[in-house]
Amino acid sequence: KAGVTQTPRYLIKTRGQQVTLSCSPISGHRSVSWYQQTPGQGLQFLFEYFSETQRNKGNFPGRFSGRQFSNSRSEMNVSTLELGDSALYLCASSLGGGRTTEAFFGQGTRLTVV
Amino acid sequence: AQSVTQPDIHITVSEGASLELRCNYSYGATPYLFWYVQSPGQGLQLLLKYFSGDTLVQGIKGFEAEFKRSQSSFNLRKPSVHWSDAAEYFCAVGAGQAGTALIFGKGTTLSVSS
Repeated sequence: KAGVTQTPRYLIKTRGQQVTLSCSPISGHRSVSWYQQTPGQGLQFLFEYFSETQRNKGNFPGRFSGRQFSNSRSEMNVSTLELGDSALYLCASSLGGGRTTEAFFGQGTRLTVV
Repeated sequence: AQSVTQPDIHITVSEGASLELRCNYSYGATPYLFWYVQSPGQGLQLLLKYFSGDTLVQGIKGFEAEFKRSQSSFNLRKPSVHWSDAAEYFCAVGAGQAGTALIFGKGTTLSVSS
């Protein structure tokens, strides 16, 4: 079956702009999580959506937001981009029904802010 | 607060030699633990997971890990390393509601020498 698909794979934006990243989960998965990966901070949890509702939230400013649609696809938006937002953004999907479900990751979107 | 520590930033192992990557966690309840591997420019692949039961868990690619509650550890092992195992390895604990917010360690980069 198809894995987690993230689009686009690469993105270059200018400071102050906004950006939207997309994630299509594995068919049947209802949970989508987003992570930011940088050399300095490592992998950090942004937020998780389950059945169109934000279920968990990490410690990121309000410029980072997300949503999930009825087909479980998710989008992440970053407004007023800063140079420090340059990172690999990873999306993960899981069945989401309980704590024993494992997460499957996409290949990520590499965002560069100039 | 929940946290994961991987004490070794970089490890070099000879091909055919055994491997042990260390992971210590801090979590108040019964932890759900994971090991992921990431090749350059790629997403994360799940190697193995521990939810409950037998404290020695087997994963893919010949990896295993042992959960030791008394030491708050979940070390990853492989009896004989192959050159293709060179990658970055991440230990994670499932946190938040439903345990779907993964908290990652900083990762250990494995190099394999011939």
